[in-house]
Amino acid sequence: QVTLRESGPALVIPTQTLTLTCTFSGFSLSTNGMCVGWIRQPPGKALEWLARIDWDDDEYFSASLQTRLSISKDTPKNQVVLTMANMDPVDTATYFCVRLVRGRRYNDFNHYYMDVWGKGTTVIVSS
Amino acid sequence: SYELTQPPSVSVSPGQTARITCSGDALPKRYAYWYQQKSGQAPVLVIYEDNRRPSGTPERFSGSSSGTMATLTISGAQVEDEADYYCYSTDISGGHRGVFGGGTKLTVL
Repeated sequence: QVTLRESGPALVIPTQTLTLTCTFSGFSLSTNGMCVGWIRQPPGKALEWLARIDWDDDEYFSASLQTRLSISKDTPKNQVVLTMANMDPVDTATYFCVRLVRGRRYNDFNHYYMDVWGKGTTVIVSS
Repeated sequence: SYELTQPPSVSVSPGQTARITCSGDALPKRYAYWYQQKSGQAPVLVIYEDNRRPSGTPERFSGSSSGTMATLTISGAQVEDEADYYCYSTDISGGHRGVFGGGTKLTVL
């Protein structure tokens, strides 16, 4: 059974850096085709894709947030860490950790998609 | 930046067919995926690679894609299908950057 659990601070002061940890079980990030990513959802708003790290250490970031984001993995510990710098009240959201798996190749492109989600952790940015 | 466009809301009576659309310029070259999110819960994958159902997704859920539009169809919608639905795909120019649609609130009453 695949599970993911997010952990981190519930409250962040504006301008501080947010550090979130995803601890997962039921799969390994050393397996070809496996990835872990982060999605967020502000209250009452849509999902927003943030970042992804792959089994081969490739990293991908949201174009609008890439200057503020970093992602890393600790494969033996089954953990992925997301950091977001210079937090602002608009970053208040529920942050989800997700597993991505490689699906079928189509149009010369390997597609990856989220098949399992963590329950999410709520982060409030306020002074 | 790349965008996927969904209608904000769709409303049907129980037993009717609900159709939720998702438009995006890259959809002719990229798969569409659909996620269901019930109030206060994490999203759940209901359709992947345009039209494939994960195990556990009821057969009344189906997906299709043609040109720049993908469609999620719920044939004989049930009250328990009331939720927010998000389409997801990949930016054609951004490598593997993911993109979500704005979400569609499905009301079944």
